[in-house]
Amino acid sequence: DAGVTQSPTHLIKTRGQQVTLRCSPKSGHDTVSWYQQALGQGPQFIFQYYEEEERQRGNFPDRFSGHQFPNYSSELNVNALLLGDSALYLCASSLAFMGPGEAFFGQGTRLTVV
Amino acid sequence: GIQVEQSPPDLILQEGANSTLRCNFSDSVNNLQWFHQNPWGQLINLFYIPSGTKQNGRLSATTVATERYSLLYISSSQTTDSGVYFCAPGNTGNQFYFGTGTSLTVIP
Repeated sequence: DAGVTQSPTHLIKTRGQQVTLRCSPKSGHDTVSWYQQALGQGPQFIFQYYEEEERQRGNFPDRFSGHQFPNYSSELNVNALLLGDSALYLCASSLAFMGPGEAFFGQGTRLTVV
Repeated sequence: GIQVEQSPPDLILQEGANSTLRCNFSDSVNNLQWFHQNPWGQLINLFYIPSGTKQNGRLSATTVATERYSLLYISSSQTTDSGVYFCAPGNTGNQFYFGTGTSLTVIP
């Protein structure tokens, strides 16, 4: 049973560029959430996708957008990259976004903006 | 959102020692997980425990949701237990809130 997989594992981008990160959820899960973890901090919720729609959003600007595909995989897009966007981006999958349930995280994508 | 406070922020233990990590949260929750983050950033699930007590080997956890806290017990600590431990409560769907964690170092 494959767990949550993310790609790429590492990425270096230049300020002002755009980036796309990808996530495949755990088999059987239909809800994908994205988190940003800055150095020395806990992960912060960016947004959550269910049935190909954004269902919940944290306190992040519109430069952060996403998409969920029919196979439940998801992308996180960040436009106009800032130095402060450098962080570990984590994807979490779970079952049924409205109900409580256990979430599983991928290994993350470490983004460096220079 | 839910405010999460974990204590202590840093902990250094001799191998074989026991420890208790505490997580206080500011609102009622219907979701709570404990994670161990390894040096490569992977969040490893330890417990899904919105209420009650669970045990898994040397680790156990207790959540008292009515009093808004959770505890993680580590017994007979090993060097492989080193890393950052996060408590993550939630009350809206599967959105979780994280504090800054407890950084544990176990020395041989």
